[in-house]
Amino acid sequence: QKEVEQDPGPLSVPEGAIVSLNCTYSNSAFQYFMWYRQYSRKGPELLMYTYSSGNKEDGRFTAQVDKSSKYISLFIRDSQPSDSATYLCAMLTNAGKSTFGDGTTLTVKP
Amino acid sequence: GAGVSQSPRYKVAKRGQDVALRCDPISGHVSLFWYQQALGQGPEFLTYFQNEAQLDKSGLPSDRFFAERPEGSVSTLKIQRTQQEDSAVYLCASSPRTGKRNTYNEQFFGPGTRLTVL
Repeated sequence: QKEVEQDPGPLSVPEGAIVSLNCTYSNSAFQYFMWYRQYSRKGPELLMYTYSSGNKEDGRFTAQVDKSSKYISLFIRDSQPSDSATYLCAMLTNAGKSTFGDGTTLTVKP
Repeated sequence: GAGVSQSPRYKVAKRGQDVALRCDPISGHVSLFWYQQALGQGPEFLTYFQNEAQLDKSGLPSDRFFAERPEGSVSTLKIQRTQQEDSAVYLCASSPRTGKRNTYNEQFFGPGTRLTVL
């Protein structure tokens, strides 16, 4: 079993919908929780990171961490076609190397 | 400003050939990471440098994989006697500081090198 499991998708939503992306993890040593966006043939780009349980908001994006359940989510409000990409969750211990989920491919249809 | 660059962007190798993949991190970044991303999967950690020191190579899949960063800036990932299972995108990331407890150290990724082994 992988340390980080991510809903595989693919996910297709109409423009303006609220999108929910989720990951679970098994390693209690993870300290930081990140969400990356990856466009085709590009490297991952950091969207948000959180350190503790709770919510963190940045514009249309909200990251949620529940350490007791080992569950993290990313919500995208008012989704746009430009949000179409693969979303990767990633987790980090203090050692520095990131452990990634396998990604969820999102398509937002105009 | 310049981000992380990688070259070549695409590489086709015949099985058994040796390949060398280059990473130019953001200037002044102390930490450098290599990841392997197979099709449809997330990046998997390969190795980590702090300046010129290779501090973690636990993710290298076999002794055919070798990485170096001799002057603490540019890094090269070398794969000897390539096999078909080595086909993947190889991502390099750099970050400005060393890992410290309770301090987030953002990693900036390059575009990757797509390696295809025939």
